[in-house]
Amino acid sequence: AQRVTQPEKLLSVFKGAPVELKCNYSYSGSPELFWYVQYSRQRLQLLLRHISRESIKGFTADLNKGETSFHLKKPFAQEEDSAMYYCALLYGNNRLAFGKGNQVVVIP
Amino acid sequence: GAGVSQSPSNKVTEKGKDVELRCDPISGHTALYWYRQRLGQGLEFLIYFQGNSAPDKSGLPSDRFSAERTGESVSTLTIQRTQQEDSAVYLCASSGQGITEAFFGQGTRLTVV
Repeated sequence: AQRVTQPEKLLSVFKGAPVELKCNYSYSGSPELFWYVQYSRQRLQLLLRHISRESIKGFTADLNKGETSFHLKKPFAQEEDSAMYYCALLYGNNRLAFGKGNQVVVIP
Repeated sequence: GAGVSQSPSNKVTEKGKDVELRCDPISGHTALYWYRQRLGQGLEFLIYFQGNSAPDKSGLPSDRFSAERTGESVSTLTIQRTQQEDSAVYLCASSGQGITEAFFGQGTRLTVV
């Protein structure tokens, strides 16, 4: 069955330090993966998708099919990156499965 | 409307009362999700609607919870005999066929006192 795992619930990093949020998935089909972000007092929204191979707000994520991973990375964390981050997998009939989320706190 | 709309934004109810939460998805979106988000916690899947298919209710935590959706329009989530542990933000999201991005509402903050 399809599943998205985000092992770390809370991640605290100092401003300027690298940040990496881990995401692993299980799915028998061809995966399409996303990262969503929820800033304080804002709606949950799409951050980036793997098929676009884009960098958004300095964040990148590479799909590694061998390791079934889609980790989110940013080399230098900023205070405005403090938020809740969710990894999501598209499967079946256009359906999304979300991980449990990572709370990121950037310490000034 | 331009986005997913949820009402009410906030709801305070007494323990034991029933509540009904509403979600207006983006017009034309066939898929609709309900999630629960407890304070400081992640998303908890509740129910999924896709067009006229039977909904996936596997995430509903108890038989006090139910949801309906008529066609591809408004959905209502009903919680009967509310308990304090039902206090949370209830989020709705929709997505369209061929559109892989899910769009979220602002949520309904439910407080059971």
